[in-house]
Amino acid sequence: RKEVEQDPGPFNVPEGATVAFNCTYSNSASQSFFWYRQDCRKEPKLLMSVYSSGNEDGRFTAQLNRASQYISLLIRDSKLSDSATYLCVFSSSGTYKYIFGTGTRLKVLA
Amino acid sequence: NAGVMQNPRHLVRRRGQEARLRCSPMKGHSHVYWYRQLPEEGLKFMVYLQKENIIDESGMPKERFSAEFPKEGPSILRIQQVVRGDSAAYFCASSPGAYEQFFGPGTRLTVL
Repeated sequence: RKEVEQDPGPFNVPEGATVAFNCTYSNSASQSFFWYRQDCRKEPKLLMSVYSSGNEDGRFTAQLNRASQYISLLIRDSKLSDSATYLCVFSSSGTYKYIFGTGTRLKVLA
Repeated sequence: NAGVMQNPRHLVRRRGQEARLRCSPMKGHSHVYWYRQLPEEGLKFMVYLQKENIIDESGMPKERFSAEFPKEGPSILRIQQVVRGDSAAYFCASSPGAYEQFFGPGTRLTVL
């Protein structure tokens, strides 16, 4: 089983739609979780950290389900500028190295 | 406050040559990480360094690749005798400690 799995997409959605991505991980020792965004193979940029209690930042909501070992990202009221690849990332306790998913491509259509 | 800086942004080498990639972390960050992204793949961890120390190099190929982060100056990722399979985007990230990592713009290496 891969350490982290993401649906590569692409997800093509109209402006204003709500879209959700999931990402599963296999290492139960994973401690820190993040969503990064990558545009056209530029550098990844931190979108948000993911906390056990769930967290929200404007139109973005992240959730962590430790029992089922997945994290999710919900984007409400999609904008054209949300078009990008969304990378789920985790790291394990005692190590700082990030494990990246291969990314989910989102395209928001006018 | 300047972000993570990497140079060169693009590097072209012929097979057998050496490639040197540089990374200057954000001000106040003493932790540096190198990742590689092959075409159509996700980022893969290569090495984690603090000043003058390699902390974790579990993702580095055993041969031809080396990394350093001297007391003064940028971190260097060195690839000797490059092969076509080394063509990739190499990203450096920095952090002040056990916090979120911030990524540089990357160096795109093309091996002819």
